Amino acid sequence: GAVVSQHPSRVICKSGTSVKIECRSLDFQATTMFWYRQFPKKSLMLMATSNEGSKATYEQGVEKDKFLINHASLTLSTLTVTSAHPEDSSFYICSARRERWDTQYFGPGTRLTVL
Amino acid sequence: DQQVKQNSPSLSVQEGRISILNCDYTNSMFDYFLWYKKYPAEGPTFLISISSIKDKNEDGRFTVFLNKSAKHLSLHIVPSQPGDSAVYFCAASRASGSRLTFGEGTQLTVNP
Repeated sequence: GAVVSQHPSRVICKSGTSVKIECRSLDFQATTMFWYRQFPKKSLMLMATSNEGSKATYEQGVEKDKFLINHASLTLSTLTVTSAHPEDSSFYICSARRERWDTQYFGPGTRLTVL
Repeated sequence: DQQVKQNSPSLSVQEGRISILNCDYTNSMFDYFLWYKKYPAEGPTFLISISSIKDKNEDGRFTVFLNKSAKHLSLHIVPSQPGDSAVYFCAASRASGSRLTFGEGTQLTVNP
């Protein structure tokens, strides 16, 4: 149990385009989903926290208009990188938890490359 | 401000021996700690956790020790196996399920 999937696993796009990444909890309902970003050989940095049906809470320094997060259902959250630039190239990972006190379970990540 | 630190970027041990991964934290409000294992191009996999009311938690080959006064925790893997080779992240939160703050990770290599 507690499987989280992400789609796509990797994406290459041109500068200026938008990219949507999906995060799904496959065998449980996730009241909260988290979006992280990892730079090479660096730690995972929390970008935002999203609760189903409400607006995401963004961490300091993360542009909410650039990284649009939607948590429309208890099993799906999406991250849209708008007007992507090469500096947005990174490994994006989502996680999900069932209840407030539950452990976070991570998806496999999405490698975004912006040319 | 790096609130969770893993000072050793890498560790190499022989198969069958003990692996000890260390983690230090600065925020005294943290009271729940986790270890995750991560392979390249994959998401982290939860290994083991410990709450601040305990000083030790054991699960099979994995044991986590917490020293609150020193703000230090460690993960022991005994015996180490080649399949344990991965990056290990230490994470902390103010409560179970709350937002996680991660360390930089330690690359463990277990040699056959």
